[in-house]
Amino acid sequence: ETGVTQSPTHLIKTRGQQVTLRCSSQSGHNTVSWYQQALGQGPQFIFQYYREEENGRGNFPPRFSGLQFPNYSSELNVNALELDDSALYLCASSRRDPREFEQYFGPGTRLTVT
Amino acid sequence: SQQGEEDPQALSIQEGENATMNCSYKTSINNLQWYRQNSGRGLVHLILIRSNEREKHSGRLRVTLDTSKKSSSLLITASRAADTASYFCATALYGNNRLAFGKGNQVVVIP
Repeated sequence: ETGVTQSPTHLIKTRGQQVTLRCSSQSGHNTVSWYQQALGQGPQFIFQYYREEENGRGNFPPRFSGLQFPNYSSELNVNALELDDSALYLCASSRRDPREFEQYFGPGTRLTVT
Repeated sequence: SQQGEEDPQALSIQEGENATMNCSYKTSINNLQWYRQNSGRGLVHLILIRSNEREKHSGRLRVTLDTSKKSSSLLITASRAADTASYFCATALYGNNRLAFGKGNQVVVIP
């Protein structure tokens, strides 16, 4: 157990809808990163939050957005869902310390878009 | 963004044998990490090797890093059925801790 939790575990949405995924960081971690993992692929970096501000973004469109709260928990929001958004969404927490790079992953949220 | 590329993609071995996976990357890195994933669940951190390190051990795991060839290998010795999983390498650039993952190696250990 990494101490990182995600909710919900599974979710089914219809194309065009909006979805919010949630992540609670491990205690003492102030940085949260979100990844998308399509079936059979490695995780792809979506964005990272540090102290409630976006701190780097991968190659994802603006309809992917996020928030980080004062307690360092985080949300991932996806608008106008497309079929290709079906994937496992992983969040990972870490310390913002250049000497400490280990990231602790949650169990993921499986999103299915129909 | 750079990505690790693992080779081979799938590996099937008998329990007790060693399993070796390779990973290559394209640009200079700060560190390289290996993760394990069971059945599409969350990733578990296995080992991190920094760019100034050449070899690292953790239990039955041995990781090497060759920065001149931009490659790394993960060796699992005396494999067990519980080692059946997908293994990913991920690289981190200087100045940030976002990870770039490869496509993963699926390892099946036959009891």
